[in-house]
Amino acid sequence: DAKTTQPPSMDCAEGRAANLPCNHSTISGNEYVYWYRQIHSQGPQYIIHGLKNNETNEMASLIITEDRKSSTLILPHATLRDTAVYYCIVRGYNTDKLIFGTGTRLQVFP
Amino acid sequence: EAQVTQNPRYLITVTGKKLTVTCSQNMNHEYMSWYRQDPGLGLRQIYYSMNVEVTDKGDVPEGYKVSRKEKRNFPLILESPSPNQTSLYFCASSGRMSSGANVLTFGAGSRLTVL
Repeated sequence: DAKTTQPPSMDCAEGRAANLPCNHSTISGNEYVYWYRQIHSQGPQYIIHGLKNNETNEMASLIITEDRKSSTLILPHATLRDTAVYYCIVRGYNTDKLIFGTGTRLQVFP
Repeated sequence: EAQVTQNPRYLITVTGKKLTVTCSQNMNHEYMSWYRQDPGLGLRQIYYSMNVEVTDKGDVPEGYKVSRKEKRNFPLILESPSPNQTSLYFCASSGRMSSGANVLTFGAGSRLTVL
């Protein structure tokens, strides 16, 4: 499985866009990029995933570079409730393991 | 409501006293997995199961056992707990992993303290 690298922490002002980067330079062609978040010590919550194209849902947008070696999760209008640890994960089509890493702690401030 | 249910949510026990953390899902998911979470180490996979009677080791399986006799249940067994197994444990499930993109649903977590 490809490994991911994320900054340990980021800050964002409430109402502004939060852009969380993730490097996955060893990603292979059939590996998906997933994003989850964990609020305090609750169970991680799925946000979004993508393979090659950019994706958007009601929670966030996922921008994947053309070479697929990095991606950015965008929370368009961050709120205080978005304060959480965000995990970027890469998983292969036939891989059963999911390696979470330590994620990025996003702090949204008023 | 679709969910993954873990019990107990909190447990304090003593070294060597066998315990089981139960996990049940109501989504007819094939895939189930256990993770532990420790400060500074993120989520680490303990065991996973692709389907009934099929289990495999994750990254940190030592000191744990699992079983998958029914599709909905995936208990985590600590035969002889030790203080280094004090942790926050999460169970998760999803549809068949080999079917491409898949989303994990997590339980609320079980905080275990071994004295």
